[in-house]
Amino acid sequence: QKEVEQDPGPLSVPEGAIVSLNCTYSNSAFQYFMWYRQYSRKGPELLMYTYSSGNKEDGRFTAQVDKSSKYISLFIRDSQPSDSATYLCATRGQSGGSNYKLTFGKGTLLTVNP
Amino acid sequence: SAVISQKPSRDICQRGTSLTIQCQVDSQVTMMFWYRQQPGQSLTLIATANQGSEATYESGFVIDKFPISRPNLTFSTLTVSNMSPEDSSIYLCSAGQGAISGNTIYFGEGSWLTVV
Repeated sequence: QKEVEQDPGPLSVPEGAIVSLNCTYSNSAFQYFMWYRQYSRKGPELLMYTYSSGNKEDGRFTAQVDKSSKYISLFIRDSQPSDSATYLCATRGQSGGSNYKLTFGKGTLLTVNP
Repeated sequence: SAVISQKPSRDICQRGTSLTIQCQVDSQVTMMFWYRQQPGQSLTLIATANQGSEATYESGFVIDKFPISRPNLTFSTLTVSNMSPEDSSIYLCSAGQGAISGNTIYFGEGSWLTVV
């Protein structure tokens, strides 16, 4: 079993739709959870960052972590064509030493159609 | 956040040759890493670049194939040695400042290598 599982999609939605992106993970030691956005032929850009369980909101984006079920989500409200990209979830353990290493999901390719 | 610059941004390389990728960060960082992203795949950590000492490699990656240097807190290089078509990939430098930056890790734009 891979440490982080993510449905690669592709996912295609109309402009204005609510998008739900999800990952599951297997290592209970993971404490930090991140979402990166990667446009075509670009490096990953940090979008959201959360610690432990709970929700975090930033504009149209909401990150949600449920450690009891080892499930992480990213919601995009009022999606725009500019949101079209690959979204990567990533996790890591507690700070310090090798625990700064990130474990990534495979990424979900999202297309928002005007 | 840290701004990370990589050179070259892309290159086409001959089989059997080696290429060195440079990574420059605009501020001192405690952590630097090198990742590989093969076509259609996610990011895989190659190694942690340690300042002033040998890099720490992940399983499946060896120093002879991917020698790494980190002479100071803002600069690192990754060499891809004796390249084969299987090495065609995006190579990404990443960095973080620990608690100073909220324990977050940032990425450069990547170096896109095609081996022919």
